Amino acid sequence: QKEVEQDPGPLSVPEGAIVSLNCTYSNSAFQYFMWYRQYSRKGPELLMYTYSSGNKEDGRFTAQVDKSSKYISLFIRDSQPSDSATYLCAMSGGDSSYKLIFGSGTRLLVRP
Amino acid sequence: GAVVSQHPSWVICKSGTSVKIECRSLDFQATTMFWYRQFPKQSLMLMATSNEGSKATYEQGVEKDKFLINHASLTLSTLTVTSAHPEDSSFYICSARALAGTDTQYFGPGTRLTVL
Repeated sequence: QKEVEQDPGPLSVPEGAIVSLNCTYSNSAFQYFMWYRQYSRKGPELLMYTYSSGNKEDGRFTAQVDKSSKYISLFIRDSQPSDSATYLCAMSGGDSSYKLIFGSGTRLLVRP
Repeated sequence: GAVVSQHPSWVICKSGTSVKIECRSLDFQATTMFWYRQFPKQSLMLMATSNEGSKATYEQGVEKDKFLINHASLTLSTLTVTSAHPEDSSFYICSARALAGTDTQYFGPGTRLTVL
């Protein structure tokens, strides 16, 4: 079993839809949770960062962390074709290695 | 803020040659930098962790003599692929963790290496 599970998709939605992306994890030591967006042939871009449980909102993006269920989500409101990309969840345990454990990424396609 | 650059963005080389990739944090100091490799339609694979002024820590299965990493300053880390072969062709991405930051990593744009 992988430490972080993420549905690879692809997820296809019409423009304007609300998108829900999710990851589950098994390591209860994880404390830092991130969502990255990666366009084809580009490096990942940090979208959201959350420490411990709770919600965080930034524009059209909302990140949720439920540590009791070991489940994190990213919601995208009013999705746009420019949101079409691969979304990677990442998390770490706050130990001295600072390594990130990534999900496999979900490909999102927003249809005009 | 938190911009990381990589150079070159794309390199083609002949088999047997060495290639150096630079990773720079442009507007912050990074005590820790990471090097990843990514194959098409796959997630990132951590190759090594690089701390300024000390030897890099390589992940299991990564040949340290083939992938030389140097982190000489708080803003620059280099990855040298020595005696490159076609199987080394891949997308190499670096990331940096801010000096006084959290576990958040900021990624460079990546370098596409093609070995003929």
